[in-house]
Amino acid sequence: QSALTQPASVSGSPGQSITLSCTGTRSDVGGYNYVSWYQQHPGKAPKLMIYDVNKRPSGISNRFSGSKSGNTASLTISGLQAEDEADYYCSSYTRSSTLVFGGGTKLTVL
Amino acid sequence: EVQLVESGGDLVKPGGSLRLSCAVSGFTFSSYSMNWVRQAPGKGLEWVASISSSSNYIYYADSVKGRFTISRDNAKNSLSLQMNSLRAEDTAVYYCAREVVPQAYFDYWGQGTLVTVSS
Repeated sequence: QSALTQPASVSGSPGQSITLSCTGTRSDVGGYNYVSWYQQHPGKAPKLMIYDVNKRPSGISNRFSGSKSGNTASLTISGLQAEDEADYYCSSYTRSSTLVFGGGTKLTVL
Repeated sequence: EVQLVESGGDLVKPGGSLRLSCAVSGFTFSSYSMNWVRQAPGKGLEWVASISSSSNYIYYADSVKGRFTISRDNAKNSLSLQMNSLRAEDTAVYYCAREVVPQAYFDYWGQGTLVTVSS
């Protein structure tokens, strides 16, 4: 049950687009289209942003999009806004019928 | 309105036990799998355990297997986590979360309850 690999930090300027990566194995990310992404602001509970690799829950801005290629999933945020500054976690279903999270990426909006 | 409210967090000594609860409302509890996810201070999210809607399928992270027990009472709309043989590394905020299966994502989360394991 090794954690998925995410870059520790990413930064961008308002209006820019950034992409966060999430790398796993064929036993999790690469084996299922069950990747989800969560946003977490300090002191708050995580919030679902993307599920099933590229689907957005109701109420989530279309500035957020997801994709996957092989064992790596990605979250792209376009038109960066100050409110997007947060920690982002990916998650995947695994071959063992468990779930695994990534280590998280801290997004800084410059 | 969907609500998940955790309780039971406390300061406990290494080797001790604690039972967390999650009271839910606003949806048909018996139709959903439920999970516990934890977050150590300043660290990332860690999946802990899951239980299917009728308790037929239960899974644990290797880090808690044999020490923690997840359970649910569909009549009382309640989820529990019995934690035994607690270690310092179990110190974390514990969240309960509703899971959508089979896609394995969490669409609703509680606000969390803090468990501190320290002598």
